[in-house]
Amino acid sequence: GAGVSQSPSNKVTEKGKDVELRCDPISGHTALYWYRQSLGQGLEFLIYFQGNSAPDKSGLPSDRFSAERTGGSVSTLTIQRTQQEDSAVYLCASSLVGGDAFFGQGTRLTVV
Amino acid sequence: DAKTTQPPSMDCAEGRAANLPCNHSTISGNEYVYWYRQIHSQGPQYIIHGLKNNETNEMASLIITEDRKSSTLILPHATLRDTAVYYCIVRVAGSSNYKLTFGKGTLLTVNP
Repeated sequence: GAGVSQSPSNKVTEKGKDVELRCDPISGHTALYWYRQSLGQGLEFLIYFQGNSAPDKSGLPSDRFSAERTGGSVSTLTIQRTQQEDSAVYLCASSLVGGDAFFGQGTRLTVV
Repeated sequence: DAKTTQPPSMDCAEGRAANLPCNHSTISGNEYVYWYRQIHSQGPQYIIHGLKNNETNEMASLIITEDRKSSTLILPHATLRDTAVYYCIVRVAGSSNYKLTFGKGTLLTVNP
């Protein structure tokens, strides 16, 4: 695709519900990253994929967070039993190995 | 990755050059200097990167000091649309793990 696409752009969910956030990277980009940005805060690294494997999951804040990538393309970030502190903008980026990262527009998650 | 230090905010008049400084005194020889910006409610956007030589593209110029301990991003003719948070990041060259560590950046406000 022309750019990194994320869906949905906005998601409002009730506390305790599970949510899935989707990222479609740029075609051919083998590296994929998830970041989180809370209101007024900087970007926080969550997880990195190379192909379908995730060699760096160090930023996932708790075991309620998980991510997978299939076919070396689409990735899904899942948050189980959402809490209010999970409210943030979740950003996905993709790149060629060692290349410049391109970000999507993010998914704004609001937990009420 | 080495840490960077940036002023929290700067102002610039429309049409004038914006010069954004960044200190990276602990940078290693194989680390590049990258600049990204984030316009309100959008994902980060790649601007430019360099190792030790000055670089220029259609968006900006990057001036790196000879000792590589600091750099300056120059927007030659700032417009209102350049108002954004600018992030200076250092990263190992050619790394297969593109984990970008974002600091707080500099909020550049371009005034009419």
